[in-house]
Amino acid sequence: GAVVSQHPSRVICKSGTSVKIECRSLDFQATTMFWYRQFPKQSLMLMATSNEGSKATYEQGVEKDKFLINHASLTLSTLTVTSAHPEDSSFYICSAIGSEGAQETQYFGPGTRLLVL
Amino acid sequence: DAKTTQPPSMDCAEGRAANLPCNHSTISGNEYVYWYRQIHSQGPQYIIHGLKNNETNEMASLIITEDRKSSTLILPHATLRDTAVYYCIVRVAGDSNYQLIWGAGTKLIIKP
Repeated sequence: GAVVSQHPSRVICKSGTSVKIECRSLDFQATTMFWYRQFPKQSLMLMATSNEGSKATYEQGVEKDKFLINHASLTLSTLTVTSAHPEDSSFYICSAIGSEGAQETQYFGPGTRLLVL
Repeated sequence: DAKTTQPPSMDCAEGRAANLPCNHSTISGNEYVYWYRQIHSQGPQYIIHGLKNNETNEMASLIITEDRKSSTLILPHATLRDTAVYYCIVRVAGDSNYQLIWGAGTKLIIKP
C-alpha cells in the first residue's frame, strides 16, 4: 500500500510560536492531500483540503490565516500552525489520495502530536 | 453526519475471528464501503473496500449483504495488535470529492 509520512511525530512549543508540520507521500504522487485534527476520544475532523499548485480549501470554522497550508509539490504538503495557543494542542493527521486498484483511496500519515504550553 | 452505524465497542478473544458489523441502510448504488482502523495514537490505516461483491485481502475480508444495507468486516485470526477503533465509511465511487465522513467507529479489544 501507499506510504505517507509526517514530520515531526510530536512537538512541544511555547504559546505564540509557529509550528510547521510536513506531510509526504513516499512512493506515489498526490495532487490532493487532506489535513485533519483529532482531539482525545473524538473522531477525525477535516480541517482543509490541500491541492498541489493551488490554494487550500478550508472547512467551515477553520481559520485559514492561523492554519497555513502549502502544497508546493506532488509529494509534499505542509501545515503551519501560526501563533499557537494551548487550545491548538491536538493530534494532526494528514492523508493523501493514492490508488488501490482502480479506486482512489485515502492513505494516512502517522500523525503529529502538538502540545502548546 | 456519518451515513453508517456501528456498535461502539466489541471484545474478541485472541486467535478467534473478529466480526465487525456496519449498517449503511441509505447507501446509494454508486457508493463504496470502506473500512479503516486507528490504533491508539496513530493515523488511520486503510483495510479494505468493496462495492457489492465480497472482498478479501491480506488483512481482512469484507462481506456485503445482497441488498448492500449492511456489511461485516472479518479479521480471521485476531491478534492483540488488532486492538483499535474500526471505522466503516461509505463514499461515492469516482467522486472527485474525496472527503470521508468519520463516525464514532467500533472500539475492538482483543483479549488474551
